Amino acid sequence: AQSVAQPEDQVNVAEGNPLTVKCTYSVSGNPYLFWYVQYPNRGLQFLLKYITGDNLVKGSYGFEAEFNKSQTSFHLKKPSALVSDSALYFCAVRDMYSGAGSYQLTFGKGTKLSVIP
Amino acid sequence: GAVVSQHPSWVICKSGTSVKIECRSLDFQATTMFWYRQFPKQSLMLMATSNEGSKATYEQGVEKDKFLINHASLTLSTLTVTSAHPEDSSFYICSAPVVTEAFFGQGTRLTVV
Repeated sequence: AQSVAQPEDQVNVAEGNPLTVKCTYSVSGNPYLFWYVQYPNRGLQFLLKYITGDNLVKGSYGFEAEFNKSQTSFHLKKPSALVSDSALYFCAVRDMYSGAGSYQLTFGKGTKLSVIP
Repeated sequence: GAVVSQHPSWVICKSGTSVKIECRSLDFQATTMFWYRQFPKQSLMLMATSNEGSKATYEQGVEKDKFLINHASLTLSTLTVTSAHPEDSSFYICSAPVVTEAFFGQGTRLTVV
């Protein structure tokens, strides 16, 4: 079984400061890892993914995430936060070697990011 | 990227009526679609996997007769909430996988009064 943990329900950061949203995962095989952002009453928007290759993944809107296999983590980062980054962020995992139904993602509970002007 | 269109964006219905939510893949074919339910301030809960041309696969605890799923074509999956009750009020989101990613609809806010 696969699982995702986002240990923080909420992260507050001042505008212009760096932000980090934490995510750890558990899969039996090799992971595909994703970050999505959700604005109120909207669906999920894809930010970035790790499939293979470079551990540092760059995505949309200046976000990046670092895959750390030894720590089973995939923390989301941004060097300088914007007020418009305030939203709900979800980390998700999929086992690379899953069989039928392998496209199913397992989501973390979400972290609400508030960027304070 | 691929586009998944979901509508309506919001709907208010009376208790006891049925509501249909559509999920369309606009620029690709989706043999599989996922339906999620999201409660306030919570994560997405997978309800069912919709398979084109065959029966949907429901997650444990999800009532098949209440949440009817039809995937009659490669670009359309529908979720019908039958005999809706206030406890069915929620945010419903569909998703379609494309290679290694999943693309999501805009979501539907259902309110049953």
